[in-house]
Amino acid sequence: DARVTQTPRHKVTEMGQEVTMRCQPILGHNTVFWYRQTMMQGLELLAYFRNRAPLDDSGMPKDRFSAEMPDATLATLKIQPSEPRDSAVYFCASGLGRNTEAFFGQGTRLTVV
Amino acid sequence: DQQVKQNSPSLSVQEGRISILNCDYTNSMFDYFLWYKKYPAEGPTFLISISSIKDKNEDGRFTVFLNKSAKHLSLHIVPSQPGDSAVYFCAAKEGFGAGNMLTFGGGTRLMVKP
Repeated sequence: DARVTQTPRHKVTEMGQEVTMRCQPILGHNTVFWYRQTMMQGLELLAYFRNRAPLDDSGMPKDRFSAEMPDATLATLKIQPSEPRDSAVYFCASGLGRNTEAFFGQGTRLTVV
Repeated sequence: DQQVKQNSPSLSVQEGRISILNCDYTNSMFDYFLWYKKYPAEGPTFLISISSIKDKNEDGRFTVFLNKSAKHLSLHIVPSQPGDSAVYFCAAKEGFGAGNMLTFGGGTRLMVKP
């Protein structure tokens, strides 16, 4: 049963702390996306990778957010330092060129207090 | 500026009736459109899609209509079932293939009453 796996599912942290979210894309998928869901903005794209190379991270606050793919089985999204306004659900999704849709993980619910 | 808009944040429908969810877009370069369904505490799951070369695509109880001239698409669910209660996201992209990024609307919460 192929699926996108995200860890942790929930994270509560104090303002100023570093947060790292991890994603294991579906094996063989060559495209990975990071989305953030907030009440006001819906689903907004933060970054995406194709064949591990970053293609677009214009939706990401560069001063505190960073996204990487150290290898084909792991994508990370890091926030340092975290702020209360970063509280949201962060979704990872993966896809393969010949398919039309992206498959989403269950998300990481981040709360920054 | 939102390129994909879902102007109705919520919709309530009686079981067995038709649900119609609407979506508007502004980017004329979008040529592939998708609908995702999302239950609480889960990630969005793909529901149905349509290419800009078509004006209708049907899959069981779900039909998506595309009006390119109006830059409008809609999702019809007939008949609606309580299990359809979820948040529905409209998404659009330029070009076929999962390598192209999706731009999402803000979502519409559908409630189907028994």
